[in-house]
Amino acid sequence: EAEVAQSPRYKITEKSQAVAFWCDPISGHATLYWYRQILGQGPELLVQFQDESVVDDSQLPKDRFSAERLKGVDSTLKIQPAELGDSAMYLCASSPRRAGGYNEQFFGPGTRLTVL
Amino acid sequence: QKEVEQNSGPLSVPEGAIASLNCTYSDRGSQSFFWYRQYSGKSPELIMSIYSNGDKEDGRFTAQLNKASQYVSLLIRDSQPSDSATYLCAVGNAGNNRKLIWGLGTSLAVNP
Repeated sequence: EAEVAQSPRYKITEKSQAVAFWCDPISGHATLYWYRQILGQGPELLVQFQDESVVDDSQLPKDRFSAERLKGVDSTLKIQPAELGDSAMYLCASSPRRAGGYNEQFFGPGTRLTVL
Repeated sequence: QKEVEQNSGPLSVPEGAIASLNCTYSDRGSQSFFWYRQYSGKSPELIMSIYSNGDKEDGRFTAQLNKASQYVSLLIRDSQPSDSATYLCAVGNAGNNRKLIWGLGTSLAVNP
């Protein structure tokens, strides 16, 4: 069964350090999403890619966060420097290319980030 | 501001009972509606999608959509302890760059 892959699964870092997360969407899925989820809340969209282009990064803290999907397949999300408030679950999801309003998203296992 | 609202719970039901989870949304142009299940410490898992008014059944799960009243619900029949999780409602609009608007989730506890 096709799955979204993410690595690492867990990351512990000290504040001011750089961290990077990797995501490989389900094969053929054109849309890729990075979310941040804090315990007890719904996922918060950080950035959305359609193929290699950014569609929405309005909630991405651009002073410290960056994301890329150079070949329109896998993607990397980076934080530099990490802050204590960045501790959260970082989720990657992908959607197939379909006409109409069908935008079901399939999630990877997530990366649990702890900033000390 | 487009919103999706859910009761945070916890909703507690005995094993074998029907669990009813509700979600309301503000964007009348919404076209697609999803229920995700999320176990503690895990990522969301899609369990139901519904696009037109009425009921959609899949095993023990039934999604109900009423666009006129702007609500969508999830019924879980014969609830099992393994159904204990947080259930997230997500709503989409094709004109919104396929972005989903998420609720905060309802915590469900099924007691043996």
